[in-house]
Amino acid sequence: GNSVTQMEGPVTLSEEAFLTINCTYTATGYPSLFWYVQYPGEGLQLLLKATKADDKGSNKGFEATYRKETTSFHLEKGSVQVSDSAVYFCALSERGGGADGLTFGKGTHLIIQP
Amino acid sequence: EPEVTQTPSHQVTQMGQEVILRCVPISNHLYFYWYRQILGQKVEFLVSFYNNEISEKSEIFDDQFSVERPDGSNFTLKIRSTKLEDSAMYFCASSEKRQALNEKLFFGSGTQLSVL
Repeated sequence: GNSVTQMEGPVTLSEEAFLTINCTYTATGYPSLFWYVQYPGEGLQLLLKATKADDKGSNKGFEATYRKETTSFHLEKGSVQVSDSAVYFCALSERGGGADGLTFGKGTHLIIQP
Repeated sequence: EPEVTQTPSHQVTQMGQEVILRCVPISNHLYFYWYRQILGQKVEFLVSFYNNEISEKSEIFDDQFSVERPDGSNFTLKIRSTKLEDSAMYFCASSEKRQALNEKLFFGSGTQLSVL
């Protein structure tokens, strides 16, 4: 079956530090990959996505590249801000009209200190 | 930006009781979903709903669970006889098109269900 593994949190960084949150996946098919973010008191929001190998998703300074050879979709940002403090979820879905359900990781709690 | 609204934000119930979790999806969306996250575990898909019927459900979504769209705005998840292991954060989501086509999901902020 499908699964997503994320690095354990919490991850604590200082403002302007470089961020990497690791995500690897296992899939029977050729999935699409997503990062969702949950800010305190809010619902999950789509941050970025990539639907095929070597695609790079980007939004709000965050980037992630779909690496089929390493089955990874690591989230990166060059300079984090306090406002980036949130829980980040990596997820996948089967492509081509397959299952409706997203397969999520456990989430990584990111804390940015001023 | 339009929001998915969930009520209540916290629900405490006794084991064996029925609970109904309520959601108001975004008004022009056609696809609706429930997910849950048990503390410390992954967010898990429960069910998807379209055109007044279940499209897909996971193994978790057994006979104790049911969903309903009782009117044009609400989408509910009912747990008939709650168990301790049903304690979790339950997320409602909606989308314009089917998620399997890489459509963006809009999530509510969740209902924390505690079964005592």
